[in-house]
Amino acid sequence: DGGITQSPKYLFRKEGQNVTLSCEQNLNHDAMYWYRQDPGQGLRLIYYSQIVNDFQKGDIAEGYSVSREKKESFPLTVTSAQKNPTAFYLCASKWGAHTDTQYFGPGTRLTVL
Amino acid sequence: DAKTTQPPSMDCAEGRAANLPCNHSTISGNEYVYWYRQIHSQGPQYIIHGLKNNETNEMASLIITEDRKSSTLILPHATLRDTAVYYCIVRVERGSNYQLIWGAGTKLIIKP
Repeated sequence: DGGITQSPKYLFRKEGQNVTLSCEQNLNHDAMYWYRQDPGQGLRLIYYSQIVNDFQKGDIAEGYSVSREKKESFPLTVTSAQKNPTAFYLCASKWGAHTDTQYFGPGTRLTVL
Repeated sequence: DAKTTQPPSMDCAEGRAANLPCNHSTISGNEYVYWYRQIHSQGPQYIIHGLKNNETNEMASLIITEDRKSSTLILPHATLRDTAVYYCIVRVERGSNYQLIWGAGTKLIIKP
């Protein structure tokens, strides 16, 4: 089956630890995105990547880092510099530059204790 | 900042048409309107998008006013599985790329 996978579904970490969230897609999409969602709110863009080995900051990139070494993978690291990391994190991908029909993964709920 | 305004919640009876309004009074001429929905704690799902003309697909219809300051998403025969948060989104140009600007959405509850 084609799609986007995120793992794990739930993640717990202690304050001050870095944590990396996984995002993999087998849709052959060029662009990939990371969003953050807080309760009762819409999605906010953290980082995005249009092609391999290139990525751009979104609206709330501080305290996060990404890499795009392979087309299929776009991992997100939540660093200890992120002041309020507890949130629902969503990864998405899309094909082509002229559409914004983004396909989303199931999300990872990160809780920092 | 979000470029759209939606009611926080709405109810609709099963089998009826659900009409979800959205205001986007500051939209620019080349900015598209997108609709996604999110069932509780899942990833959002694309529904439909449009620029000026009304659009229809197998999921919904999108009606955009002539001045483009507002739009309505129509689910023609709502079912219980349509209960979700519906997001009206404007796609804005950011440098050489585009970005979807998400608001808080409308929580649609379909009642039996």
